[in-house]
Amino acid sequence: EDQVTQSPEALRLQEGESSSLNCSYTVSGLRGLFWYRQDPGKGPEFLFTLYSAGEEKEKERLKATLTKKESFLHITAPKPEDSATYLCAVQAYSNDYKLSFGAGTTVTVRA
Amino acid sequence: DGGITQSPKYLFRKEGQNVTLSCEQNLNHDAMYWYRQDPGQGLRLIYYSQIVNDFQKGDIAEGYSVSREKKESFPLTVTSAQKNPTAFYLCASRLGSGSNTQYFGPGTRLTVL
Repeated sequence: EDQVTQSPEALRLQEGESSSLNCSYTVSGLRGLFWYRQDPGKGPEFLFTLYSAGEEKEKERLKATLTKKESFLHITAPKPEDSATYLCAVQAYSNDYKLSFGAGTTVTVRA
Repeated sequence: DGGITQSPKYLFRKEGQNVTLSCEQNLNHDAMYWYRQDPGQGLRLIYYSQIVNDFQKGDIAEGYSVSREKKESFPLTVTSAQKNPTAFYLCASRLGSGSNTQYFGPGTRLTVL
């Protein structure tokens, strides 16, 4: 069974204090790894898809990286508007119709 | 505007009642999904449909039912058989083969009174 574990559960940052979120996964044949951002009471917003180890993608202050066992979401010089829950999900070749999600990391950025 | 709409935003149900959550998309996506989100847990798949008039059970289908009569619509019924229905329900869609990304609607929060 595909498993996704995100750490830490919660992260409190000062504005400008860079940090990283971890997503560890176990999957039989990774087809894709996805990062989403979710604001309270709203649906997840797609950020990135990563397909192979060594791949990196960037969007504004966010950069996602992928290895064979984990992915990191780096937040550089965060602002209060980066406060959200960040979700990681994996898609396996054997079950390519579904995503398996981690529980998320809730990031709070203080001004 | 292209996107996924869910209604209502909030829904209250008495025990023993069936309720139906609406999900509509105008993205011309083939596949549609229903997830349930509970505090401290990852999203869990309830049902999915890859084409019209066909749908499959996900990981937690007991107590739920769906239909897919139109490409744009994928309503979810929460039946009285669902023992713990209070949760945040999310609908998603995907273009189809060749596209992996699922896009989500704004969600419906269901509370059982």
